[in-house]
Amino acid sequence: GESVGLHLPTLSVQEGDNSIINCAYSNSASDYFIWYKQESGKGPQFIIDIRSNMDKRQGQRVTVLLNKTVKHLSLQIAATQPGDSAVYFCAENIDTGTASKLTFGTGTRLQVTL
Amino acid sequence: DAGVIQSPRHEVTEMGQEVTLRCKPISGHDYLFWYRQTMMRGLELLIYFNNNVPIDDSGMPEDRFSAKMPNASFSTLKIQPSEPRDSAVYFCASWGTGVLSNTGELFFGEGSRLTVL
Repeated sequence: GESVGLHLPTLSVQEGDNSIINCAYSNSASDYFIWYKQESGKGPQFIIDIRSNMDKRQGQRVTVLLNKTVKHLSLQIAATQPGDSAVYFCAENIDTGTASKLTFGTGTRLQVTL
Repeated sequence: DAGVIQSPRHEVTEMGQEVTLRCKPISGHDYLFWYRQTMMRGLELLIYFNNNVPIDDSGMPEDRFSAKMPNASFSTLKIQPSEPRDSAVYFCASWGTGVLSNTGELFFGEGSRLTVL
């Protein structure tokens, strides 16, 4: 059959507004979560992380919320700027004791309009 | 620090040719990861090393792919023979448990864009 590419969900936000990017993770054993930002032509870049024993963590202009009950993660960006335009990935880490494995989600494209 | 350095940045080759991608991790980092990114499958972990030893290679697609880490400052990902479906951006990332024991921040290189014709 014909192959199709990933359809990245896109979030369009006006400059100055707040952005909320959501992510559903798959494994209830995941103990650590990270948000990455990837600009066009570059590698992913770390934004913020959170451990499974927390439900909220704040950074500079960013906040990550973790809801383990429904296996949901969100990234909030305050006062979104044009430089925030990128693809955002959540990643979950599973520590088996002998190895750690960081698995990335499919990503969300954030478009900041002026 | 120069960050994770990958080469080549771009490679165009013909089907059947051998491709070697190179990575220099950040000095002092003891973990090195190879990821592949495509529109079809997103960002996939291929293999990772700890202290130069391969830990998990379950993501390596098939025997045509091999990775080595002969020392702490160098790793290669080889595809032989290459096929058009191997076309992707290949990322190397490194992580240091000593320096970054409280964070899982992987430092990614800029990637190697491979096109197999």
